[in-house]
Amino acid sequence: EAQVTQNPRYLITVTGKKLTVTCSQNMNHEYMSWYRQDPGLGLRQIYYSMNVEVTDKGDVPEGYKVSRKEKRNFPLILESPSPNQTSLYFCASQNRGSGELFFGEGSRLTVL
Amino acid sequence: GQNIDQPTEMTATEGAIVQINCTYQTSGFNGLFWYQQHAGEAPTFLSYNVLDGLEEKGRFSSFLSRSKGYSYLLLKELQMKDSASYLCARSNDYKLSFGAGTTVTVRA
Repeated sequence: EAQVTQNPRYLITVTGKKLTVTCSQNMNHEYMSWYRQDPGLGLRQIYYSMNVEVTDKGDVPEGYKVSRKEKRNFPLILESPSPNQTSLYFCASQNRGSGELFFGEGSRLTVL
Repeated sequence: GQNIDQPTEMTATEGAIVQINCTYQTSGFNGLFWYQQHAGEAPTFLSYNVLDGLEEKGRFSSFLSRSKGYSYLLLKELQMKDSASYLCARSNDYKLSFGAGTTVTVRA
């Protein structure tokens, strides 16, 4: 079954404690991306990756890092989380042929 | 974002038709996505328009006018399960920008 898997699904942490949200896809897609979703603001792109070792900033990259060492994995790293990073995070991978974007189930992060 | 505008809310009756409009900035535009998102769930793909015109997929159709920076999603024969948020998103090469979403409520 084609899927995008994120972990953890829910996390409560404290300011400054580094955390990583993992994302894995089994569709051999080259393109992957991260979004955050906040009430009234919709989905905003944080980072995207066109292929292994190729990443670029989206609209709201501040406070985040990513890496793409393997095609299937695209982790999101918060080196020093702050309360304004409390949000619902989605990872996605894209079939560049059809354009369809497949989303993970989301990771709800709370930073105290 | 990329100046993507769509209405905040719409309400319609079961069995009716609803049209959700989306306008966007035309510079650097590649294509226009529509996604459906039920509360607490991930967005699911509905359509991707690259060329002008109407594309129909069952009860859902999507229209694009590249020159006008305009798209709409048409939902026909509304069902209660269509109550959800509908997201319009424009792509610029690899960058994707979403509108804030339109919450559609279907009433019996």
